[in-house]
Amino acid sequence: GAVVSQHPSWVICKSGTSVKIECRSLDFQATTMFWYRQFPKQSLMLMATSNEGSKATYEQGVEKDKFLINHASLTLSTLTVTSAHPEDSSFYICSARDPTGFSNQPQHFGDGTRLSIL
Amino acid sequence: AQSVTQLDSHVSVSEGTPVLLRCNYSSSYSPSLFWYVQHPNKGLQLLLKYTSAATLVKGINGFEAEFKKSETSFHLTKPSAHMSDAAEYFCVVSGEGSSNTGKLIFGQGTTLQVKP
Repeated sequence: GAVVSQHPSWVICKSGTSVKIECRSLDFQATTMFWYRQFPKQSLMLMATSNEGSKATYEQGVEKDKFLINHASLTLSTLTVTSAHPEDSSFYICSARDPTGFSNQPQHFGDGTRLSIL
Repeated sequence: AQSVTQLDSHVSVSEGTPVLLRCNYSSSYSPSLFWYVQHPNKGLQLLLKYTSAATLVKGINGFEAEFKKSETSFHLTKPSAHMSDAAEYFCVVSGEGSSNTGKLIFGQGTTLQVKP
């Protein structure tokens, strides 16, 4: 079945550094990918919709200059957390929309990235 | 507007007993509904989906869910819980109408605890 690979799975870094998270669709081309943030014991919060070849669409309240999204190819989207601070620590999950089915097909999720900012 | 409400934040069952995780939805259109499971520090795995075909949907690992339009519910059940079923479960509705962007709307999640 469809697989989405997310890397890295865990990252710890110092405050002020920038961190890049990659999301790859391994066996299908994903024109649309999604980035979510999940706090402990909470549901997934959609941050932005990543569209191949165009600017990402951010949800209300998400700082686009803080969370840079690039979707340069049909199989790769990246999320860069710029000048990360402890409050950015969270679990980040990407997903890719499978274009081969109907528009209401579910998204395929990566395994997530645990980001810890010291 | 669409919304999803999971009625229980935490459900605890004994191994071998039935599981019921409750979900109610609100949608102006005929919705597509899903149940996902998330194990600790992992992404989401699709358990099952309803897309206007049979109202009783069978999924993986023995789970099933019944779409009841009159009750706007899509409860998840399993006849006999296993220890490996302990996880977080999310009821999800997909985007609707002509402006469907592929977005998913998540419920708040239900933590399933399975006791030996």
